[in-house]
Amino acid sequence: GAVVSQHPSRVICKSGTSVKIECRSLDFQATTMFWYRQFPKQSLMLMATSNEGSKATYEQGVEKDKFLINHASLTLSTLTVTSAHPEDSSFYICSAPGLAGGSNQETQYFGPGTRLLVL
Amino acid sequence: AQSVTQPDIHITVSEGASLELRCNYSYGATPYLFWYVQSPGQGLQLLLKYFSGDTLVQGIKGFEAEFKRSQSSFNLRKPSVHWSDAAEYFCAVGAMWEYGNKLVFGAGTILRVKS
Repeated sequence: GAVVSQHPSRVICKSGTSVKIECRSLDFQATTMFWYRQFPKQSLMLMATSNEGSKATYEQGVEKDKFLINHASLTLSTLTVTSAHPEDSSFYICSAPGLAGGSNQETQYFGPGTRLLVL
Repeated sequence: AQSVTQPDIHITVSEGASLELRCNYSYGATPYLFWYVQSPGQGLQLLLKYFSGDTLVQGIKGFEAEFKRSQSSFNLRKPSVHWSDAAEYFCAVGAMWEYGNKLVFGAGTILRVKS
């Protein structure tokens, strides 16, 4: 099946620094990838849609200058949390749509997530 | 706008007992519906999905779900729960969007299994 990886799996950084999170589709190409944020004991909230070759589309209330997204290739999207603060600490998950098992039905494949802790 | 409601935040069942997790959705068109499972510190794993056709969908790990349009529901069931099923379960509705299928998640239901 389709595999999506994320790197790093967890990161601790100081307040004010920037952190880059990578999302890769390992065995399929994805022109679109999605970035979610999950706070403890809460559901996933879509932050933005990463589009290869064009600007990302951000959900309402998400600061595009704070969360920089670059879809560098058909298999890689990066999320950079700029000038991170403790309130940015969260679990960040990416997903990429793919066609499951030869079907023509699109399924989202999720990465394992990146846990960010900002001190 | 589409939304998903999972009315049960926590559910505790005994090992070997049957399980039903509730999910109700709101969506103007025919929905794409999904159930995902998340173990602590892990990403999401797809259990099953409904796109069209047979309203009873079989998934992995012995799970099934039934799409009931009249009730706007997509409840997840398992006849006999195993201790390894303890995790958090998310129902999601997929809305076709210009960039593909955009998922809206419910708040999740935490399943505890007691031995």
